[in-house]
Amino acid sequence: QVQLVQSGAEVKKPGASVKVSCKASGYTFTTYYIHWVRQAPGQGLEWMGIINPSGGSTSYAQKLQGSVTMTSDSSTSTVYMELSSLRSEDTAVYYCARGPIAARPPFDCWGQGTLVTVSS
Amino acid sequence: QSVLTQPPSVSAAPGQKVTISCSGSTSNIGNNYVSWYQQLPGTAPKLLIYDNNKRPSGIPDRFSGSKSGTSATLGITGLQTGDEADYYCGTWDSSLSAVVFGGGTKLTVL
Repeated sequence: QVQLVQSGAEVKKPGASVKVSCKASGYTFTTYYIHWVRQAPGQGLEWMGIINPSGGSTSYAQKLQGSVTMTSDSSTSTVYMELSSLRSEDTAVYYCARGPIAARPPFDCWGQGTLVTVSS
Repeated sequence: QSVLTQPPSVSAAPGQKVTISCSGSTSNIGNNYVSWYQQLPGTAPKLLIYDNNKRPSGIPDRFSGSKSGTSATLGITGLQTGDEADYYCGTWDSSLSAVVFGGGTKLTVL
């Protein structure tokens, strides 16, 4: 079955970077885009950006330009999201989600989420 | 402040029907498909409705979606206690070149 499995929880200090992985299985990796969505504690969903696993092209939310980097490794069907210069406001659950080649919703499969806590 | 506007909460009794609205503009809902997601407590969101009114395999027909102009609506009939969750609408915003979500609506089944 289609599955996205993410890496485990992280605790980071302000100013540090974090890299979260998302391993896809159950479908042809390069035929769907992967989006990243985050959710701060008690808050709603915030779209972070998208990566095309076939070729690695990306598009990021304007707010995160310069601080987020998404990459993909077709040999392991894994997508990575790295967030740098972490601040307390980046404390959130980070989700990867699969979307169609049209590079927009719907997201028909989500990872289980990765909690990133930024604290001194 | 979310680009799409949803009521913070709705409630209804078991067996009843509820609707959740999602309001936007011509740059998002007005010219793009809307999808709806259900997020049960402590879990990842799950796709309920896509392309305004289509249900993925496995989603019961108690869930329905519609769109008119710059607004969309999620309907849930035959409410069950297991439907208690947060519900989010989402779509593409052509002006922002970004995916946008509503702020979420908490459904309480009394």
